[in-house]
Amino acid sequence: GDSVTQMEGPVTLSEEAFLTINCTYTATGYPSLFWYVQYPGEGLQLLLKATKADDKGSNKGFEATYRKETTSFHLEKGSVQVSDSAVYFCALTPLGTDKLIFGTGTRLQVFP
Amino acid sequence: SQTIHQWPATLVQPVGSPLSLECTVEGTSNPNLYWYRQAAGRGLQLLFYSVGIGQISSEVPQNLSASRPQDRQFILSSKKLLLSDSGFYLCACSTLRNTGELFFGEGSRLTVL
Repeated sequence: GDSVTQMEGPVTLSEEAFLTINCTYTATGYPSLFWYVQYPGEGLQLLLKATKADDKGSNKGFEATYRKETTSFHLEKGSVQVSDSAVYFCALTPLGTDKLIFGTGTRLQVFP
Repeated sequence: SQTIHQWPATLVQPVGSPLSLECTVEGTSNPNLYWYRQAAGRGLQLLFYSVGIGQISSEVPQNLSASRPQDRQFILSSKKLLLSDSGFYLCACSTLRNTGELFFGEGSRLTVL
């Protein structure tokens, strides 16, 4: 079945460091890909998305590119802030559905 | 825009007791509704989803059930809680069908002792 694999955390960085959180997927056809973020004590919220190959999703300085050849959707940010500390979830929806399939999440901790 | 309310926010229950978590949605009509569980170290697991009143699909066999008595109300229940039911339960809705964009409530943390 369809699945998402994320790098295990926690990822610990100093402020202004470069961030990469790896995400790969297994799916039939062409799923849509998402990154959701969960700040401490809150529910999830959509960070960015890409719906077809080579699309780049971006928001709040974060970017991810839909790479079909490597079945990847890695999250990047050039300069992280303390306020970026959260759990990041990679997810996919099979074509034509709303049912999000999530990875296990990666906790990011940014220190000043 | 839509708003999702979940309650209670925190719940501590003994094994064998019943459960009722409620979710209501404002600002939209006829949404798809979802219950997810986030267990420690295990990520998010889809438990139930509903495309309309009285229509419930279960994704995994378990000790829980869901009901949708009204268009914007989604309830998660159990008759007898197990220790393994502990976790963080998230209600979500989608208003643009088949786009994968879900809006989540703030969650309900259940601890079963």
